[in-house]
Amino acid sequence: DIVMTQTPLSSPVTLGQPASISCRSSQSLLHSDGNTYLTWLQQRPGQPPRLLIYKVSTRFSGVPDRFSGSGAGTDFTLKISRVEAEDVGIYYCMQVKQFPYTFGQGTKLEIK
Amino acid sequence: EVQLVESGGGLGQPGRSLRLSCTASGFIFGDFYMNWFRQPPGKGLEWVGVIRSKAYGGTTEYAASVKGRITISRDDSESIAHLQMNSLRSEDTAVYYCVRGPAMSWGQGTLVTVSS
Repeated sequence: DIVMTQTPLSSPVTLGQPASISCRSSQSLLHSDGNTYLTWLQQRPGQPPRLLIYKVSTRFSGVPDRFSGSGAGTDFTLKISRVEAEDVGIYYCMQVKQFPYTFGQGTKLEIK
Repeated sequence: EVQLVESGGGLGQPGRSLRLSCTASGFIFGDFYMNWFRQPPGKGLEWVGVIRSKAYGGTTEYAASVKGRITISRDDSESIAHLQMNSLRSEDTAVYYCVRGPAMSWGQGTLVTVSS
């Protein structure tokens, strides 16, 4: 199985300031079809997860452009350019290159 | 609007069975893989299993933690997916989510509690 490791596990951020979350996979997420299957999810308190970004850097429908994803191979980053109050929650990276799909431990984003 | 509504959760006794359903609307159900994930209370997310679309054989894959105890099925004519859980264990206690594709759209989830 592919092991996903996120850092940090907790991120206190000031409103309006940027935030960054890193995710590393135990093996490359580059598929033979040329795509890299790394996904970012957001889970607000009391809510189901929501897809933010897929294939490393493509924002899902309706996701604000303050969210961006980058990376390649085994190292990936989710950035929020200016944190808003509604961004509070837990962020997960997930690999969907192969079964079983696996997740990072989650990063809790909170406001200072 | 895409909607996924899970049902069938509740209290299950250890060793018994439970069947969860996922009713979909707002998209062509038969075109998509349907995944199930779960989240134990206060913990992270775990992938449970998937059923491929008929175009890809309608086959299934399961997590090692549940393999042999669960069966995922689909009825494209009714836009419903099912998760049959047998030989329930306390560690199956979780909110179960039905998901379109790898992670595109999530239902609200249904809570399964396994306890005697």
